[in-house]
Amino acid sequence: QKEVEQNSGPLSVPEGAIASLNCTYSDRVSQSFFWYRQYSGKSPELIMSIYSNGDKEDGRFTAQLNKASQYVSLLIRDSQPSDSATYLCAVNSGGYQKVTFGTGTKLQVIP
Amino acid sequence: GAVVSQHPSWVICKSGTSVKIECRSLDFQATTMFWYRQFPKQSLMLMATSNEGSKATYEQGVEKDKFLINHASLTLSTLTVTSAHPEDSSFYICSARGLAVTGTDTQYFGPGTRLTVL
Repeated sequence: QKEVEQNSGPLSVPEGAIASLNCTYSDRVSQSFFWYRQYSGKSPELIMSIYSNGDKEDGRFTAQLNKASQYVSLLIRDSQPSDSATYLCAVNSGGYQKVTFGTGTKLQVIP
Repeated sequence: GAVVSQHPSWVICKSGTSVKIECRSLDFQATTMFWYRQFPKQSLMLMATSNEGSKATYEQGVEKDKFLINHASLTLSTLTVTSAHPEDSSFYICSARGLAVTGTDTQYFGPGTRLTVL
């Protein structure tokens, strides 16, 4: 079982719709959770971090964490073509252990 | 967010030569630095993890004698690809982890270095 799992996609949504990206993780003691966005040919860019159960909102982005279900998601409201990218979920189990990345979900926002 | 720089952003070299890539955390002290490699249309692959002042820990299948990592300070790590060959052509991305201005332990990526070996 992969430590951090994501559907590779592509996930296609029309412009203006809500894009929902999902991620599950296997290590129950995981403490920190991150979403990165990676445009083609570029390095990943941190867009959200979340540490406790519930929702965290930042602009059009909302991260949701459910530790009991070992599930973290990213919602993008009012999706724009510029949101088209690969979204990487990352999980930190704490201390100085490495952050584990999922393989990413490719999002396509159709104009 | 925190800034991590990489130099050079791209490099073309002849087969058999060595290439050094620098990674710097500009506004925070990086307790740990990571080196990744990414081939076209593939996901990030962690190559090695390094802590300042200690030897790097390499992932399985990554040759430590070919990919030399030096983490000389809390703000600088270098990756040297020795005797580069065409199959080493890839996008190399460093990442620095530490307490950024937000006070949270976060990992930030550099912009990447595109290596082409002829």
